[in-house]
Amino acid sequence: DAGITQSPRHKVTETGTPVTLRCHQTENHRYMYWYRQDPGHGLRLIHYSYGVKDTDKGEVSDGYSVSRSKTEDFLLTLESATSSQTSVYFCAISREATGVTGNTIYFGEGSWLTVV
Amino acid sequence: SQKIEQNSEALNIQEGKTATLTCNYTNYSPAYLQWYRQDPGRGPVFLLLIRENEKEKRKERLKVTFDTTLKQSLFHITASQPADSATYLCALGSGSARQLTFGSGTQLTVLP
Repeated sequence: DAGITQSPRHKVTETGTPVTLRCHQTENHRYMYWYRQDPGHGLRLIHYSYGVKDTDKGEVSDGYSVSRSKTEDFLLTLESATSSQTSVYFCAISREATGVTGNTIYFGEGSWLTVV
Repeated sequence: SQKIEQNSEALNIQEGKTATLTCNYTNYSPAYLQWYRQDPGRGPVFLLLIRENEKEKRKERLKVTFDTTLKQSLFHITASQPADSATYLCALGSGSARQLTFGSGTQLTVLP
């Protein structure tokens, strides 16, 4: 298994509260990603990072922010959680830009977030 | 807009038969296509990659074809087993984008 740890694995929070999900990797891969997975929508990219302090938006970035202060850590923050952000969140890593090179993406085990 | 469709949401087949899953795309010019397996409660796991200039790729009981004219990839599992039951995702990379685009997946159940 790829060395990816997501925390927390499960969280229930109230609408309007901030939430931070953490992704930690031990593979020293350059690229890190946050996806959400919802029934009928598949995996959708929220944000990704291509280096320390270098991040970019994905297709569903509204309401989310990210930070990467170290190679191994990539944080996803919901500034003010809403019920529509109830989802399973997956962190992923790749050695290089997977969209360009076909590099394999390695996924973490997921974080289940429920916003009530 | 770009769209990726995977045949049915669910596919049931009998053990020992060949499972065939379909990934169709529109308004997209992928440089390559990947297939992933996802078990319940787990993250997706990479299975195979096929590039636009390749017609077919094999790995053990798995075979992937890629037809850029039909804009379609077929994923075959031969001699299927109940342990093959999972959701299978296709993902496309354009060669110019930094990320993959995923289909919503097909849930395969192999009946004993």
